[in-house]
Amino acid sequence: AQTVTQSQPEMSVQEAETVTLSCTYDTSESDYYLFWYKQPPSRQMILVIRQEAYKQQNATENRFSVNFQKAAKSFSLKISDSQLGDAAMYFCAGRETSGSRLTFGEGTQLTVNP
Amino acid sequence: NAGVMQNPRHLVRRRGQEARLRCSPMKGHSHVYWYRQLPEEGLKFMVYLQKENIIDESGMPKERFSAEFPKEGPSILRIQQVVRGDSAAYFCASSPPWGQGKNEQYFGPGTRLTVT
Repeated sequence: AQTVTQSQPEMSVQEAETVTLSCTYDTSESDYYLFWYKQPPSRQMILVIRQEAYKQQNATENRFSVNFQKAAKSFSLKISDSQLGDAAMYFCAGRETSGSRLTFGEGTQLTVNP
Repeated sequence: NAGVMQNPRHLVRRRGQEARLRCSPMKGHSHVYWYRQLPEEGLKFMVYLQKENIIDESGMPKERFSAEFPKEGPSILRIQQVVRGDSAAYFCASSPPWGQGKNEQYFGPGTRLTVT
């Protein structure tokens, strides 16, 4: 079974600055996927970025990138040039290849200050 | 291509009533997942279904909760004799058959259940 932990309940960043959200996970499997989801006030879950564990290269999607440290079981999300629309709850999630369920962390509420 | 549809978006039930939540997966998706989000918490897995089959229900409460995904029509999450603790947002997600696409789960907008 997989566990996902987000130790930052809240974070804030100034508009146009960079912020990093932390996530650690634990799994006994060697093959798995990691995700960051964004949940704005509308509560819609939006996939931000995805990382396959077997890939050493960190995933990047425009202003969003991850720092995947497999040995340390760490999966942080970096948001560059933060925009007001980035304000939301961010959830880290994992899925083991042998299973189907997503396991979510507790979430980090991100505030972007103008 | 329409996304995952859920209805109703908001549902109010009195204690003891039944709640029925519906989920229509994305076109071409045959896998459906239900998650529950209690206030101030992350999403918790409840059940994973394929057409006419429950694959994994290890996250479902043992009593009062049931789910189905019939051959025709939407997936239904049914909660009998609701209690205040059932108040939450219920999310449905769908994914394509194994081997097609990236097996990512696409989420619906959720149903917010309030039990009074």
